[in-house]
Order: sequence, then structure tokens, then C-alpha cells
Amino acid sequence: AAGVIQSPRHLIKEKRETATLKCYPIPRHDTVYWYQQGPGQDPQFLISFYEKMQSDKGSIPDRFSAQQFSDYHSELNMSSLELGDSALYFCASSLSGGGGDNEQFFGPGTRLTVL
Amino acid sequence: LAKTTQPISMDSYEGQEVNITCSHNNIATNDYITWYQQFPSQGPRFIIQGYKTKVTNEVASLFIPADRKSSTLSLPRVSLSDTAVYYCLVGAILYDFGNEKLTFGTGTRLTIIP
Repeated sequence: AAGVIQSPRHLIKEKRETATLKCYPIPRHDTVYWYQQGPGQDPQFLISFYEKMQSDKGSIPDRFSAQQFSDYHSELNMSSLELGDSALYFCASSLSGGGGDNEQFFGPGTRLTVL
Repeated sequence: LAKTTQPISMDSYEGQEVNITCSHNNIATNDYITWYQQFPSQGPRFIIQGYKTKVTNEVASLFIPADRKSSTLSLPRVSLSDTAVYYCLVGAILYDFGNEKLTFGTGTRLTIIP
């Protein structure tokens, strides 16, 4: 079965550079989420989109922005990168709409290293 | 969102049943209880979800007492591959405007000993 696809899998950037992370949700899933997991930390919710509209916002820095496109893929744009942005970034998708267990399916993550 | 409390770590031997208990004293009426598993450098993976009493699937059982202030994830006959971090999450399921975000607390690091 198709899973959530994230690209790139690994990314190395310098401080103050920009980065763009991409996420391709499972086909027909209508909700996409972004999570950040720092070294030794628990995943933290950043932002989510439902049907291409922002549906919720968590602890996402102002330097970050995200959007969901007409084909439902999502991109997380990160500017003025800081050392503390080094983390695993997970994208997840789910299908809402009644019934079911609200399961979120996570991608393999993008490991961002800021030097 | 209801706050959850779990043991930070647990050890168990292969072949044993492992029970991980989560406390969620402030759980709301419309909250569900969900457990996720995470291996190092991988995304969390859904294990099981329940609202009350007992839920069982092919990998685990979830026991929820009548007051719903706690829940217990039961993993039967664990193997080395069950070594992972297990997260207990509590939240509502929304059916109209996308599903609710997951709020991860500090999970339980389960280590299976050969």
C-alpha cells in the first residue's frame, strides 16, 4: 500500500540558509500534518492542513511557513535556519470524515542538519 | 487537551506480556485514547485506539476502566523487535474539519531483553 513520501530524506544546510521539505500524503487523504522531533525529544506538532486550508497551528516559528497544494502535497519552508532547527521533520496524513480511528500515517521523515 | 503520564522506561524479557499504564485524569467526555509506537529515526506508528472497556487488535490490547482516567496497553509475548518508545495520547476525533493534531507527551521507552 502507498505510504507517505517525504523528500529529501536528508538535508544539510548552513545557518541563515533556507530549506524546503516536501510531503506527499497517502492518496485520498485530506489532512496533512507536520511534526518536528529534536534529538532525544518527543515529536512536536507544527502545523496542519485540511483540504488545502490551514486547519491548526502549533509551535511553528515565524521563520517557517507551509502550504498544501492542489494535488494535496505539502511543503514546509524554513528560512534563516538556526542550529536549533536541526531535527527530524515528519509529515503525516489522515483521512477524516466520520467513522474510523483517526489514524495518522507518518512518513519516514527528513533529517535536517544545520551547520 | 488532557495531559498524560506514563513511566519513562520499562524493561521486559522476550516472550513476556508487557503492560504499560497511562494516566489521564482530566480526560474529556469526547476524548479517545490512542497509542503510537516509535522506533529510532522512524515516524510514529499507530497501534490501537479506544474509548472505553477493552479493545483488541492483532498486535495489542487496550484496557480502559469505567472512569477512563487511565488506560493500559498490553503487548502479548513481546520480542526484541518490540523495543521502541510507546506514546499514549488523548484527544478528540473531529469528523468535519480534519482530524485533530497529535500532542505527544513523554513516552515510555520499552526495552526487551533477550
